Amino acid sequence: KAGVTQTPRYLIKTRGQQVTLSCSPISGHRSVSWYQQTPGQGLQFLFEYFSETQRNKGNFPGRFSGRQFSNSRSEMNVSTLELGDSALYLCASSLTPLAGYNEQFFGPGTRLTVL
Amino acid sequence: SQQGEEDPQALSIQEGENATMNCSYKTSINNLQWYRQNSGRGLVHLILIRSNEREKHSGRLRVTLDTSKKSSSLLITASRAADTASYFCATDARAGGTSYGKLTFGQGTILTVHP
Repeated sequence: KAGVTQTPRYLIKTRGQQVTLSCSPISGHRSVSWYQQTPGQGLQFLFEYFSETQRNKGNFPGRFSGRQFSNSRSEMNVSTLELGDSALYLCASSLTPLAGYNEQFFGPGTRLTVL
Repeated sequence: SQQGEEDPQALSIQEGENATMNCSYKTSINNLQWYRQNSGRGLVHLILIRSNEREKHSGRLRVTLDTSKKSSSLLITASRAADTASYFCATDARAGGTSYGKLTFGQGTILTVHP
């Protein structure tokens, strides 16, 4: 079974621009979560989607948004980029959609650099 | 905020030695997972231990969980240079809807195995 895939792997943007990152979960997995990883803050939860619905959201500004499609693929969007948005963005998928039972499998990440 | 706290922050050992990493957390959990990350790449799922389990093995990995102390340990036996990576524990809180798709990570332990 193919793992979680994320595209693109690397992105360089300038402040004020917007960016869209894509994630394809493991086949059959319908829950997709997104995380931001930075040296200072570590791994932080952004949001989770299941059946095209956002069920949970972390403590990030409204510039961070996402969506999920009917085939469970997910995208996240960051608008009006700031230097502090430079990070590794990780997507994870889970077979079990139950709260508190998230065995998650991660993709390789998208490295975003904001200049 | 990070729920899981790993200890030590960094560990340096020789090939063939055992490596032990510890993780503490704050709230009640359904399960705890350990992940490995190589050089800022994606997270590799190592093992999941449920709250009603005390010990679990997978190959050279041994994980223990003590819910009364809210702590877990990861033991890697007969370490290899290829085990050099960052190791993270992640908890799945027993918090109803607010835990949908959300794992809370510690800051990680950087393990270096010298050949």
